[in-house]
Amino acid sequence: DSGVTQTPKHLITATGQRVTLRCSPRSGDLSVYWYQQSLDQGLQFLIQYYNGEERAKGNILERFSAQQFPDLHSELNLSSLELGDSALYFCASSVGIGTGSYEQYFGPGTRLTVT
Amino acid sequence: AQTVTQSQPEMSVQEAETVTLSCTYDTSESDYYLFWYKQPPSRQMILVIRQEAYKQQNATENRFSVNFQKAAKSFSLKISDSQLGDAAMYFCAYRSIQGGSEKLVFGKGTKLTVNP
Repeated sequence: DSGVTQTPKHLITATGQRVTLRCSPRSGDLSVYWYQQSLDQGLQFLIQYYNGEERAKGNILERFSAQQFPDLHSELNLSSLELGDSALYFCASSVGIGTGSYEQYFGPGTRLTVT
Repeated sequence: AQTVTQSQPEMSVQEAETVTLSCTYDTSESDYYLFWYKQPPSRQMILVIRQEAYKQQNATENRFSVNFQKAAKSFSLKISDSQLGDAAMYFCAYRSIQGGSEKLVFGKGTKLTVNP
């Protein structure tokens, strides 16, 4: 158990809908990352937050957004869902940022299926 | 942009034997971190081992060790005394040390099968 929690574990929804994925980082970790794992794209970085502020963006679609709250949990919002958004979404957390090693510890993921 | 390549989509090993998984990467940076993650059928991503580019000594964690060749940009994972529980997808990952983002860049993965 990495200490990172994600809810829900599974989500099945229809095209055009909107969903929210939730992540709670390990106790003491200030940085949260979201990754998408799909069969064709592999593991791709979406976005990073540090202590409530957006720090970096990767291959995140405009239909997707995220935020990190004062209690450091994070939510990833996916809207106008398409079949191609079906994937495993991971949240990871690390204690800091910058030049330290700061390993990222992953949650169990949320499996999103868009039908 | 950094890229990570795992050239072996699948590998197999006999229980108790040793196997080496390959990883190469491309970067213009001189300092960075490299990681191996394991993803078993449960889909959980588990950190296996970490290597700092500025360290010449290869990292070791119990049965897992790396062969880090900085000039060749190679970072292979050796699993000794393979166990059935080692069966999983293994991902090599690169993290920049420069400020602005600590994202991981992953390879496509190697599926390891352990035969009894």
